Amino acid sequence: EVQLVESGGGLEQPGRSLRLTCEASGFSFDDYAMHWVRQVPGKGLEWVSGINWNSATFAYADSVRARFTISRDNAKNSLYLQMNSLRPEDTALYYCVAHYHGSGGFRSPYWGQGILVTVSS
Amino acid sequence: DIQLTQSPSSLSASVGDRVTITCRASQTISRYFNWYRQKPGKAPEVLIYGATSLQSGVPSRFAAAGSGTDFTLTITSLQPEDFATYYCHQTHTTPWTFGQGTKVEIK
Repeated sequence: EVQLVESGGGLEQPGRSLRLTCEASGFSFDDYAMHWVRQVPGKGLEWVSGINWNSATFAYADSVRARFTISRDNAKNSLYLQMNSLRPEDTALYYCVAHYHGSGGFRSPYWGQGILVTVSS
Repeated sequence: DIQLTQSPSSLSASVGDRVTITCRASQTISRYFNWYRQKPGKAPEVLIYGATSLQSGVPSRFAAAGSGTDFTLTITSLQPEDFATYYCHQTHTTPWTFGQGTKVEIK
């Protein structure tokens, strides 16, 4: 059974930092690019950041570039998001998403259940 | 960035109705495209991946078509559990983008 389990969320003050972790199981982690997607409760979905299978390439939304850092550890089947200089507008549910982007055709993405990050003084 | 224009933004329907949601991309994205259903308080659930492939375990009343720039999701006979919000999603290029959502409500 595929599982993506996010952790590390919670309440933090503006300007402070949080580190999200996503632990993957049930699939070949290093065959997949990994992404973070966030959603303000009651609003739409917003892509945050993505990293390819071997950490050679990564990308960020303009809203988080220079503040957030994505990384992964294939030996631990884990994805991370270091969130610095947090702002109230970073308050959202953060989802970890696994996306196959290889030569084996299209595959369904896998989504975690999400972790809530609240930035407030 | 690739824009996804999803329509309608909301609709009212009855159990048993046929419902179609459309999504148009601002540039061609081949079949790097997914559809989701999201119920309140839950994570998005993959219905369709690769533009037309039905996710394992998803009922056959869901069907999808399209490639390039124009995509559709059809629910052939709406069931009570289908009253939710639906999103389209492109994975052709980062930044990934999503449609603004279609809320399907009970008439």
